[in-house]
Amino acid sequence: KAGVTQTPRYLIKTRGQQVTLSCSPISGHRSVSWYQQTPGQGLQFLFEYFSETQRNKGNFPGRFSGRQFSNSRSEMNVSTLELGDSALYLCASSLRAGDEQFFGPGTRLTVL
Amino acid sequence: GNSVTQMEGPVTLSEEAFLTINCTYTATGYPSLFWYVQYPGEGLQLLLKATKADDKGSNKGFEATYRKETTSFHLEKGSVQVSDSAVYFCALTPGETSGSRLTFGEGTQLTVNP
Repeated sequence: KAGVTQTPRYLIKTRGQQVTLSCSPISGHRSVSWYQQTPGQGLQFLFEYFSETQRNKGNFPGRFSGRQFSNSRSEMNVSTLELGDSALYLCASSLRAGDEQFFGPGTRLTVL
Repeated sequence: GNSVTQMEGPVTLSEEAFLTINCTYTATGYPSLFWYVQYPGEGLQLLLKATKADDKGSNKGFEATYRKETTSFHLEKGSVQVSDSAVYFCALTPGETSGSRLTFGEGTQLTVNP
């Protein structure tokens, strides 16, 4: 069974731009979560989707948004990029809410 | 709110040494507990898990026991190898009915020298 895939793997953007990251969960998994990883803040939860509904949201500004499609694929969007948004963005999927999560390789975003 | 505290790193050991990475947590209810490992340039891999008190998770020679009385989930391995060099994260979720939101510890960098 294929694992969680994330595209693109690397992105370079400039301040003020917006970016969309994509995540395809493991087949059959309906829960998708997103995390931001930075050296200073560690791993922080962004949001969780289950059956196209946002179930939980972390403490991030409204510039960070996401959605989930009927095939469970998910996207997250960051508008008006800031230098501090440079991070590794990780997507994880699980069969059911609360179950163990399986992570993708991440998207490395660099904001210049 | 929920929180996870890991022992400060980095940790440097010689091959075949015994490993302990301490992890304590604060949570309401009955959280599930996890250890994840991250190798350089990669995402997180689930190492082991425990979903209720006194459960022992184990995988690849690593073990951790869910201790509700001490709110701990310490990671141990009897004999580490160079290939175990990575960053280890302790984490929790609130439980099955409360979603999948993982709360992570700070991570512990482990380096094993030959």
